[in-house]
Amino acid sequence: DAGVIQSPRHEVTEMGQEVTLRCKPISGHDYLFWYRQTMMRGLELLIYFNNNVPIDDSGMPEDRFSAKMPNASFSTLKIQPSEPRDSAVYFCASSPGLAGAGNEQFFGPGTRLTVL
Amino acid sequence: AQTVTQSQPEMSVQEAETVTLSCTYDTSESDYYLFWYKQPPSRQMILVIRQEAYKQQNATENRFSVNFQKAAKSFSLKISDSQLGDAAMYFCAYRSAQGSGGSNYKLTFGKGTLLTVNP
Repeated sequence: DAGVIQSPRHEVTEMGQEVTLRCKPISGHDYLFWYRQTMMRGLELLIYFNNNVPIDDSGMPEDRFSAKMPNASFSTLKIQPSEPRDSAVYFCASSPGLAGAGNEQFFGPGTRLTVL
Repeated sequence: AQTVTQSQPEMSVQEAETVTLSCTYDTSESDYYLFWYKQPPSRQMILVIRQEAYKQQNATENRFSVNFQKAAKSFSLKISDSQLGDAAMYFCAYRSAQGSGGSNYKLTFGKGTLLTVNP
């Protein structure tokens, strides 16, 4: 399996622009997670989905952030409009399920976002 | 809410030596999972080891082992025979095992410990 795939790996944009980050989870995984990593706040969960349905979005910082999962193999995280404080590494992770051995979350390589 | 604390921002070890990274957590739950993740300069998050709270036996994975002290809410990682490839940021993480839905399935991470391995 190719693992969790994220694109782009790097994104540089200007303040006010719309940014879309993409994620393809591991096939067969029921759960998908979006995390943000910054020096100040460390790794934070933004939102997670179960079977394409958002379960907990309490970590989404504000209305400028939105996430969708239109099908089991694709998710997007959108920031509109982007601000310099959104600069961070955004990780997508997927999990085969939460019972028994399925507790591990497999992380993608991350997208480094820089907002100028 | 659960919190995870890693009190050592940085650690260093000589190659082939042993190093222990500390992690404490705060929770009122009795059933949960604890993890150590490794993040090398490539920034890929890699699971190192996992511990179920209901298991008294400490988890081991080759050169990596944990010292899980449930009463003390402590979960340290020991790396034996350290190798240059072990150099990375190490994150301790907590996940609830209770309930369904809600925020129970999220990973709560510590701030990390940067491990340097000296040749």
